[in-house]
Amino acid sequence: QKEVEQDPGPLSVPEGAIVSLNCTYSNSAFQYFMWYRQYSRKGPELLMYTYSSGNKEDGRFTAQVDKSSKYISLFIRDSQPSDSATYLCAMRSYNQGGKLIFGQGTELSVKP
Amino acid sequence: GAVVSQHPSWVICKSGTSVKIECRSLDFQATTMFWYRQFPKQSLMLMATSNEGSKATYEQGVEKDKFLINHASLTLSTLTVTSAHPEDSSFYICSAGPPNSNQPQHFGDGTRLSIL
Repeated sequence: QKEVEQDPGPLSVPEGAIVSLNCTYSNSAFQYFMWYRQYSRKGPELLMYTYSSGNKEDGRFTAQVDKSSKYISLFIRDSQPSDSATYLCAMRSYNQGGKLIFGQGTELSVKP
Repeated sequence: GAVVSQHPSWVICKSGTSVKIECRSLDFQATTMFWYRQFPKQSLMLMATSNEGSKATYEQGVEKDKFLINHASLTLSTLTVTSAHPEDSSFYICSAGPPNSNQPQHFGDGTRLSIL
Protein backbone atom coordinates (compact mmCIF):
# COMPACT_ATOMS: atom_id res chain seq x y z
CA GLN A 1 0.00 0.00 0.00
CA LYS A 2 1.31 3.43 -0.94
CA GLU A 3 1.78 5.97 1.82
CA VAL A 4 -0.28 8.51 -0.11
CA GLU A 5 -3.13 7.57 -2.45
CA GLN A 6 -4.52 9.93 -5.06
CA ASP A 7 -6.88 9.15 -7.91
CA PRO A 8 -4.97 9.92 -11.12
CA GLY A 9 -8.13 10.75 -13.06
CA PRO A 10 -8.33 12.19 -15.65
CA LEU A 11 -11.05 14.48 -14.36
CA SER A 12 -12.97 16.60 -16.84
CA VAL A 13 -15.36 19.36 -15.76
CA PRO A 14 -17.12 22.28 -17.47
CA GLU A 15 -15.93 25.82 -16.88
CA GLY A 16 -17.42 27.27 -13.70
CA ALA A 17 -17.78 23.94 -11.92
CA ILE A 18 -16.55 23.25 -8.41
CA VAL A 19 -13.70 20.78 -8.46
CA SER A 20 -12.92 18.46 -5.57
CA LEU A 21 -9.54 16.74 -5.40
CA ASN A 22 -8.62 14.31 -2.65
CA CYS A 23 -5.81 12.30 -1.12
CA THR A 24 -5.71 9.71 1.61
CA TYR A 25 -2.67 8.71 3.56
CA SER A 26 -1.60 6.05 6.01
CA ASN A 27 1.18 7.65 8.06
CA SER A 28 -0.26 9.37 11.13
CA ALA A 29 3.05 11.23 11.60
CA PHE A 30 2.34 13.51 8.64
CA GLN A 31 1.75 17.05 9.87
CA TYR A 32 2.41 19.29 6.87
CA PHE A 33 0.17 19.08 3.84
CA MET A 34 0.62 20.72 0.46
CA TRP A 35 -1.09 20.98 -2.87
CA TYR A 36 0.97 21.66 -5.94
CA ARG A 37 -0.20 22.44 -9.47
CA GLN A 38 1.92 21.24 -12.35
CA TYR A 39 1.48 22.30 -15.94
CA SER A 40 2.88 20.12 -18.68
CA ARG A 41 6.69 20.19 -18.79
CA LYS A 42 6.92 22.59 -15.87
CA GLY A 43 7.91 22.18 -12.24
CA PRO A 44 5.23 21.94 -9.53
CA GLU A 45 3.90 25.26 -8.25
CA LEU A 46 2.84 25.54 -4.61
CA LEU A 47 -0.88 26.29 -4.26
CA MET A 48 -1.74 25.59 -0.65
CA TYR A 49 0.20 24.74 2.49
CA THR A 50 -1.48 23.58 5.67
CA TYR A 51 -0.21 22.52 9.03
CA SER A 52 -2.22 19.88 10.93
CA SER A 53 -6.01 19.74 10.65
CA GLY A 54 -8.32 22.49 9.49
CA ASN A 55 -9.30 24.58 6.51
CA LYS A 56 -7.40 27.20 4.56
CA GLU A 57 -8.77 29.44 1.86
CA ASP A 58 -6.93 31.43 -0.80
CA GLY A 59 -9.04 33.00 -3.49
CA ARG A 60 -10.83 30.26 -5.41
CA PHE A 61 -8.90 27.53 -3.62
CA THR A 62 -9.78 25.86 -0.32
CA ALA A 63 -7.67 23.18 1.33
CA GLN A 64 -9.04 20.90 4.01
CA VAL A 65 -7.18 18.50 6.25
CA ASP A 66 -8.87 15.86 8.39
CA LYS A 67 -6.14 14.10 10.30
CA SER A 68 -8.58 11.83 12.13
CA SER A 69 -9.64 10.36 8.79
CA LYS A 70 -6.20 10.78 7.17
CA TYR A 71 -7.86 12.62 4.31
CA ILE A 72 -7.06 15.90 2.60
CA SER A 73 -8.97 17.82 -0.03
CA LEU A 74 -8.52 20.71 -2.42
CA PHE A 75 -11.58 22.56 -3.71
CA ILE A 76 -11.47 24.85 -6.72
CA ARG A 77 -14.43 27.19 -7.14
CA ASP A 78 -15.48 28.73 -10.44
CA SER A 79 -13.00 26.57 -12.31
CA GLN A 80 -11.34 28.07 -15.38
CA PRO A 81 -9.70 26.48 -18.43
CA SER A 82 -6.40 27.83 -17.09
CA ASP A 83 -6.85 25.52 -14.09
CA SER A 84 -6.30 22.54 -16.42
CA ALA A 85 -3.18 20.88 -15.03
CA THR A 86 -2.05 18.02 -12.84
CA TYR A 87 -2.63 18.53 -9.12
CA LEU A 88 -0.28 16.82 -6.70
CA CYS A 89 -0.83 16.41 -3.01
CA ALA A 90 2.29 16.16 -0.86
CA MET A 91 2.92 15.75 2.80
CA ARG A 92 5.67 15.25 5.34
CA SER A 93 6.22 14.66 8.99
CA TYR A 94 8.00 17.02 11.36
CA ASN A 95 11.31 15.17 11.45
CA GLN A 96 11.74 14.22 7.79
CA GLY A 97 13.99 17.15 7.03
CA GLY A 98 11.77 18.53 4.30
CA LYS A 99 11.42 15.22 2.45
CA LEU A 100 8.02 15.13 0.77
CA ILE A 101 5.80 12.17 0.00
CA PHE A 102 3.71 12.76 -3.10
CA GLY A 103 0.45 11.41 -4.34
CA GLN A 104 0.29 10.20 -7.92
CA GLY A 105 -1.30 13.43 -9.13
CA THR A 106 -4.77 14.06 -10.58
CA GLU A 107 -5.00 15.30 -14.15
CA LEU A 108 -7.72 17.96 -14.41
CA SER A 109 -9.24 19.33 -17.58
CA VAL A 110 -11.64 22.29 -17.46
CA LYS A 111 -13.61 22.60 -20.67
CA PRO A 112 -14.75 26.04 -21.89
CA GLY B 1 8.55 35.33 -9.02
CA ALA B 2 10.51 32.11 -8.98
CA VAL B 3 12.35 31.31 -5.77
CA VAL B 4 14.14 28.29 -7.23
CA SER B 5 15.86 28.49 -10.60
CA GLN B 6 16.87 25.45 -12.62
CA HIS B 7 19.07 25.42 -15.69
CA PRO B 8 19.03 24.29 -18.44
CA SER B 9 15.37 23.74 -19.17
CA TRP B 10 16.00 21.32 -22.04
CA VAL B 11 19.02 19.29 -23.07
CA ILE B 12 19.45 17.00 -26.05
CA CYS B 13 22.72 15.13 -26.30
CA LYS B 14 24.35 11.99 -27.59
CA SER B 15 24.65 8.76 -25.65
CA GLY B 16 27.78 8.69 -23.50
CA THR B 17 27.77 12.40 -22.76
CA SER B 18 27.73 13.74 -19.21
CA VAL B 19 25.15 16.41 -18.49
CA LYS B 20 25.15 18.90 -15.61
CA ILE B 21 21.94 20.46 -14.27
CA GLU B 22 22.02 23.43 -11.92
CA CYS B 23 19.56 24.30 -9.17
CA ARG B 24 19.74 27.69 -7.45
CA SER B 25 17.75 29.06 -4.54
CA LEU B 26 17.16 32.74 -5.24
CA ASP B 27 15.57 34.14 -2.10
CA PHE B 28 17.13 32.11 0.68
CA GLN B 29 20.05 29.96 1.63
CA ALA B 30 19.26 26.26 1.32
CA THR B 31 21.30 23.79 3.30
CA THR B 32 19.23 21.02 1.77
CA MET B 33 17.92 20.62 -1.75
CA PHE B 34 16.12 17.69 -3.32
CA TRP B 35 16.40 16.13 -6.75
CA TYR B 36 13.47 14.35 -8.36
CA ARG B 37 12.87 12.44 -11.55
CA GLN B 38 9.51 12.33 -13.28
CA PHE B 39 8.32 10.10 -16.10
CA PRO B 40 5.33 11.06 -18.27
CA LYS B 41 1.97 10.78 -16.50
CA GLN B 42 3.68 9.82 -13.26
CA SER B 43 4.39 11.55 -9.98
CA LEU B 44 7.74 12.82 -8.78
CA MET B 45 10.24 10.23 -7.63
CA LEU B 46 12.80 11.43 -5.10
CA MET B 47 16.31 10.57 -6.24
CA ALA B 48 18.48 12.15 -3.59
CA THR B 49 18.82 14.76 -0.89
CA SER B 50 21.59 17.25 -1.52
CA ASN B 51 23.33 18.48 1.63
CA GLU B 52 25.49 21.60 1.61
CA GLY B 53 29.06 20.78 2.50
CA SER B 54 28.55 17.03 2.77
CA LYS B 55 27.67 13.98 0.74
CA ALA B 56 24.26 13.59 -0.79
CA THR B 57 21.84 11.00 0.51
CA TYR B 58 20.54 8.75 -2.26
CA GLU B 59 17.25 6.90 -2.32
CA GLN B 60 17.25 3.16 -2.68
CA GLY B 61 17.89 2.05 -6.23
CA VAL B 62 19.48 5.31 -7.38
CA GLU B 63 23.04 4.87 -8.62
CA LYS B 64 25.24 7.43 -6.90
CA ASP B 65 28.01 7.00 -9.47
CA LYS B 66 25.56 7.68 -12.28
CA PHE B 67 23.91 10.71 -10.69
CA LEU B 68 26.58 12.86 -9.10
CA ILE B 69 25.37 15.60 -6.77
CA ASN B 70 27.41 18.54 -5.57
CA HIS B 71 26.10 21.13 -3.12
CA ALA B 72 29.11 23.42 -2.80
CA SER B 73 27.31 26.56 -1.69
CA LEU B 74 24.15 27.51 0.17
CA THR B 75 22.44 28.58 -3.04
CA LEU B 76 23.60 26.04 -5.61
CA SER B 77 23.26 22.31 -6.07
CA THR B 78 24.22 20.47 -9.24
CA LEU B 79 23.19 17.10 -10.60
CA THR B 80 25.48 15.51 -13.15
CA VAL B 81 24.18 12.59 -15.17
CA THR B 82 27.35 10.75 -16.11
CA SER B 83 27.74 8.77 -19.34
CA ALA B 84 24.07 9.29 -20.09
CA HIS B 85 22.13 6.67 -22.05
CA PRO B 86 18.66 6.79 -23.61
CA GLU B 87 17.10 5.22 -20.50
CA ASP B 88 18.26 8.27 -18.54
CA SER B 89 15.98 10.46 -20.63
CA SER B 90 13.47 11.99 -18.26
CA PHE B 91 12.28 15.18 -16.57
CA TYR B 92 14.52 16.17 -13.67
CA ILE B 93 13.28 18.62 -11.04
CA CYS B 94 14.92 20.15 -8.00
CA SER B 95 13.37 21.69 -4.92
CA ALA B 96 14.53 23.76 -1.99
CA GLY B 97 13.09 25.37 1.10
CA PRO B 98 14.34 27.77 3.77
CA PRO B 99 16.48 25.93 6.35
CA ASN B 100 15.39 25.35 9.89
CA SER B 101 11.80 26.28 9.16
CA ASN B 102 8.50 24.64 8.50
CA GLN B 103 8.05 26.46 5.23
CA PRO B 104 7.21 24.37 2.18
CA GLN B 105 9.52 23.34 -0.61
CA HIS B 106 9.56 25.30 -3.84
CA PHE B 107 10.39 23.65 -7.12
CA GLY B 108 12.44 24.61 -10.11
CA ASP B 109 10.91 24.52 -13.56
CA GLY B 110 12.56 21.21 -14.37
CA THR B 111 15.05 20.03 -16.96
CA ARG B 112 13.92 17.88 -19.83
CA LEU B 113 16.79 15.54 -20.72
CA SER B 114 16.73 13.68 -24.02
CA ILE B 115 19.56 11.26 -24.78
CA LEU B 116 19.84 10.17 -28.39
